[in-house]
Amino acid sequence: NAGVTQTPKFQVLKTGQSMTLQCAQDMNHNSMYWYRQDPGMGLRLIYYSASEGTTDKGEVPNGYNVSRLNKREFSLRLESAAPSQTSVYFCASSLTGTSGGASSFGPGTRLTVL
Amino acid sequence: KNQVEQSPQSLIILEGKNCTLQCNYTVSPFSNLRWYKQDTGRGPVSLTIMTFSENTKSNGRYTATLDADTKQSSLHITASQLSDSASYICVVTPAAGNKLTFGGGTRVLVKP
Repeated sequence: NAGVTQTPKFQVLKTGQSMTLQCAQDMNHNSMYWYRQDPGMGLRLIYYSASEGTTDKGEVPNGYNVSRLNKREFSLRLESAAPSQTSVYFCASSLTGTSGGASSFGPGTRLTVL
Repeated sequence: KNQVEQSPQSLIILEGKNCTLQCNYTVSPFSNLRWYKQDTGRGPVSLTIMTFSENTKSNGRYTATLDADTKQSSLHITASQLSDSASYICVVTPAAGNKLTFGGGTRVLVKP
């Protein structure tokens, strides 16, 4: 199993540009999550999807949109990137959302917005 | 507001020595508490998971303890190795909902 995979690994954007971060898992997990990690801070939840067809806002959703394309894939879109969105983005998944929490994380996408 | 506080922020230990990391939380009620290891440039990897009814859980040289009464957890690393150099993150899952609460992490550096 590949686990949780993310693309791209690195990305540099100019302010105002848009992009989509891709995430896929092959563990048949129901729940998927997007987090951002800033230096000196804990991971913060952007959006999550408890199950296929549902998405909900997390702690810091402003400036982002998500799509749960199917059970395997959960994408994160930045419509108009801002320097404040410079961060490392992690996708995660878990079998169930309410009892287990995110159990498997992807390798991360390092995003820089100039 | 639910919080998870970890201490120390960082520590340096010599290879072969033991160390203990602390995690205090205010999330209540909670479903489980996890310790993750995050190597530089990598995603977190789950080390242990404990429900509110468990007191201890081991994973090789890593042993986590939980005191639900005082809302404290610790992660003990025995006979540290250079590969233990990483950040260790305490995460609490609330009893309801998906919004985990992450601690800021403790950065451990093991020196030869």
